[in-house]
Amino acid sequence: RKEVEQDPGPFNVPEGATVAFNCTYSNSASQSFFWYRQDCRKEPKLLMSVYSSGNEDGRFTAQLNRASQYISLLIRDSKLSDSATYLCVVISGGGADGLTFGKGTHLIIQP
Amino acid sequence: DAGVIQSPRHEVTEMGQEVTLRCKPISGHDYLFWYRQTMMRGLELLIYFNNNVPIDDSGMPEDRFSAKMPNASFSTLKIQPSEPRDSAVYFCASSFPLGEQFFGPGTRLTVL
Repeated sequence: RKEVEQDPGPFNVPEGATVAFNCTYSNSASQSFFWYRQDCRKEPKLLMSVYSSGNEDGRFTAQLNRASQYISLLIRDSKLSDSATYLCVVISGGGADGLTFGKGTHLIIQP
Repeated sequence: DAGVIQSPRHEVTEMGQEVTLRCKPISGHDYLFWYRQTMMRGLELLIYFNNNVPIDDSGMPEDRFSAKMPNASFSTLKIQPSEPRDSAVYFCASSFPLGEQFFGPGTRLTVL
């Protein structure tokens, strides 16, 4: 299975700041991309899909850079409740073949 | 809908024992996934089903692991015999169509 890599962090960010992190993937044939959020000792939950044209949902923006093979997640005006681990998901084949989760980036928003 | 249901939530067993984890997907979802999560390896896809048929089991670590989906509303993941290195959180997830996956709360397995 091809690799999906994330900086594990932790990213310590003051409340109200903007933070961004990336997820790189090695399989250039990858087709679908997602960001999930996982709180401590909880299950992952979908945060947003990543489209070729980019995707914005409130304070969150996801981008895909196919040339450099990475996806990014930008969080503006960060809140204490944004503290979590953010997992990227890459699907490289048809169906769910080649579905790979990154190990996650741990984000801590500090008051 | 109650969401994806997993049981048990916690399991403590001794090495060599058989462990069976259970999952009830969200009604109407035709994809079901089994994952294992550890600190060292992160979240790993073990196997997934489409319309009750196993599609990709390349993530199953070895023959001690087996998974079944006898009908659209039930799946099991079995480990026989269990080993301490199997200790992890096991998640079941379902989706329809393939896209957003809804995860169950997980089963925290400890093998002594």
